[in-house]
Amino acid sequence: EVQLVESGGGLIQPGGSLRLSCAVSGFSVSGRYMTWVRQTPGKGLECVSVIYGGDITYYTDSVRGRFTISRDISKNTVHLQMNSLRGDDTAVYYCARGENGMDVWGQGTTVTVS
Amino acid sequence: DIVMTQTPLSSPVTLGQPASISCRSSQSLVHSNGNTYLSWLQQRPGQPPRLLIYKVSNRFSGVPDRFSGSGAGTDFTLTISRVEAEDVGFYYCMQATEFPWTFGQGTKVEIK
Repeated sequence: EVQLVESGGGLIQPGGSLRLSCAVSGFSVSGRYMTWVRQTPGKGLECVSVIYGGDITYYTDSVRGRFTISRDISKNTVHLQMNSLRGDDTAVYYCARGENGMDVWGQGTTVTVS
Repeated sequence: DIVMTQTPLSSPVTLGQPASISCRSSQSLVHSNGNTYLSWLQQRPGQPPRLLIYKVSNRFSGVPDRFSGSGAGTDFTLTISRVEAEDVGFYYCMQATEFPWTFGQGTKVEIK
């Protein structure tokens, strides 16, 4: 069964760091498009970061230089290291496989910066 | 960035009746490889988004055939042929033709 399970969210003070993890089962993250998407009531859905191919990465402007996406093939996991967190990073963060759009989603993990 | 604009933002529908949602992109979604990476997602209350339609008109695995997608270039439509109670929620269009991948604002489908 294909499944994505996020972890690592929580309450953090502005300026702090968190590392989100996405444990994947049912397929290998190697070479796949894997994404982190966040959702807030005010801004809706936002694709924060993508990793694909030979570890090519993309970041939306508001997180570039602060967030780092990576994958651990041995653990079949995708990570999002978030540094210098700000109040507007508060959101539910979803891990999603970026195939055919975004075809598999995790349940999400909540990050609150306050 | 490609801006995705959905209409309407709210759609009260009668059970068993059709519903349609429009999505317009600020520029063509035709990729240089000829594909159009326009998807539709459903988000039920308290749930993560779920893929319904990909590349404009391809129904994802397990999606009921009452859901269909159409369109080309910059104008796209999601149609629900006969709305059922389980279809209540938000619907989003999304483009993956060009970074940043962007979403529409969402359309709330509710039962009258």
